[in-house]
Amino acid sequence: DAGVTQSPTHLIKTRGQQVTLRCSPISGHKSVSWYQQVLGQGPQFIFQYYEKEERGRGNFPDRFSARQFPNYSSELNVNALLLGDSALYLCASSLVAQLTLNTEAFFGQGTRLTVV
Amino acid sequence: GDSVTQMEGPVTLSEEAFLTINCTYTATGYPSLFWYVQYPGEGLQLLLKATKADDKGSNKGFEATYRKETTSFHLEKGSVQVSDSAVYFCALLDYKLSFGAGTTVTVRA
Repeated sequence: DAGVTQSPTHLIKTRGQQVTLRCSPISGHKSVSWYQQVLGQGPQFIFQYYEKEERGRGNFPDRFSARQFPNYSSELNVNALLLGDSALYLCASSLVAQLTLNTEAFFGQGTRLTVV
Repeated sequence: GDSVTQMEGPVTLSEEAFLTINCTYTATGYPSLFWYVQYPGEGLQLLLKATKADDKGSNKGFEATYRKETTSFHLEKGSVQVSDSAVYFCALLDYKLSFGAGTTVTVRA
């Protein structure tokens, strides 16, 4: 079975540009969450989507946006890129919106974004 | 808000040594607690979990016990292998996962 897939795996952008990252959840999973992992730090929660609706948002500026499609795949968009946006962006999928002991979040390998 | 603090690394050990990574949490309620592992070039993988006080999570020789009185969830392994070299993250769950900064562990043969 395919796990969580993210594309692209690596990306280099210039300051001020816009970027779109993509995530395909595990088949049957309806929830997708996005995390930012800056080098040397733990992942920070950005968004959660469930059934195409935003269910949670972390402390990130409005330059960050996301959406979920009818097939439950998701895109994360970042506008007006800053050097500080350089990070590994992780997508996680789960069966349901509310994570519990029995509803694990499965992570993709991430997209490495470098802003120059 | 809820948060996790884990010991800073990096940690370098010899094979068969004992590993402990400290993790403490701050939370208003009683969150579920997790340890995730990130091997080089890979995504995060769930290592073990515990949902209530005194629960012990275990997997692949690793163990961690949910201690409410000390708000801790320390990770331990009695005899590490080179293949355990990775970054380890402590995390708690409310409606989202909140991660610690990660501890890099290197095991030398």
